[in-house]
Amino acid sequence: QSGLNQPPSASGTPGQRVTISCSGSSSNVGFNPVNWYQQLPGTAPKLLIYKNDQRPSGVPDRFSGSKSGTSASLAISGLQSEDEAEYFCATWDASLNGHVVFGGGTKLTVL
Amino acid sequence: QLQLQESGPGLVKPSGSLSLTCTVSGGPTSISGDFWAWIRQPPGRGLEWIGSVSYHGVTYYNTSLESRLSISGDTSKNQFSLEMTSVTAADTAVYYCARGTGSHFISYTWFDPWGRGTLVVVTS
Repeated sequence: QSGLNQPPSASGTPGQRVTISCSGSSSNVGFNPVNWYQQLPGTAPKLLIYKNDQRPSGVPDRFSGSKSGTSASLAISGLQSEDEAEYFCATWDASLNGHVVFGGGTKLTVL
Repeated sequence: QLQLQESGPGLVKPSGSLSLTCTVSGGPTSISGDFWAWIRQPPGRGLEWIGSVSYHGVTYYNTSLESRLSISGDTSKNQFSLEMTSVTAADTAVYYCARGTGSHFISYTWFDPWGRGTLVVVTS
């Protein structure tokens, strides 16, 4: 079961806009909604974006998600130091009787 | 606010079995709805979905782990459990439980909230 592809790292300075990509295939990203999770250092992952572009209550509107074809993206605008975390994309893969696939994670560093 | 809490032994011997329980508390939701998942994260690595159980007992397993897995729910205790047999050092990880919510179709759900996680180390 292959995972989704994310860049291992990303960085930006405070105030900048950063995007993190997540690529998959027609059986996962191209077929089902993508969700994003934020994992602050030493803590459990937290839901950040669901159904491609929806923000749960309490998530700042600096965070936005999008999807096109077999790729999805997470954008963070007005970067803040507290955004330094690992970000994971995930979706359901319709192959092999169905299963959840995660991206390998992107470590975001705020310079 | 819904909270999930993992519990179970932190050390397991190689070739033994790993058993974890997730207790759901707070909020209006019991495990008689939604999906309930186990996800793990080896030290310094990414997330791996282990499997999920639906509110009516249907299970969905990671095919790479399926032969060693059993996930079940106990609605009377608002708990769901993971059992993994024949463990090796490769099963050392932080194990999270999470609610899969948002749809009656598992493929449209997302994980929210997550438990804090429990570290399980496989060692002799």
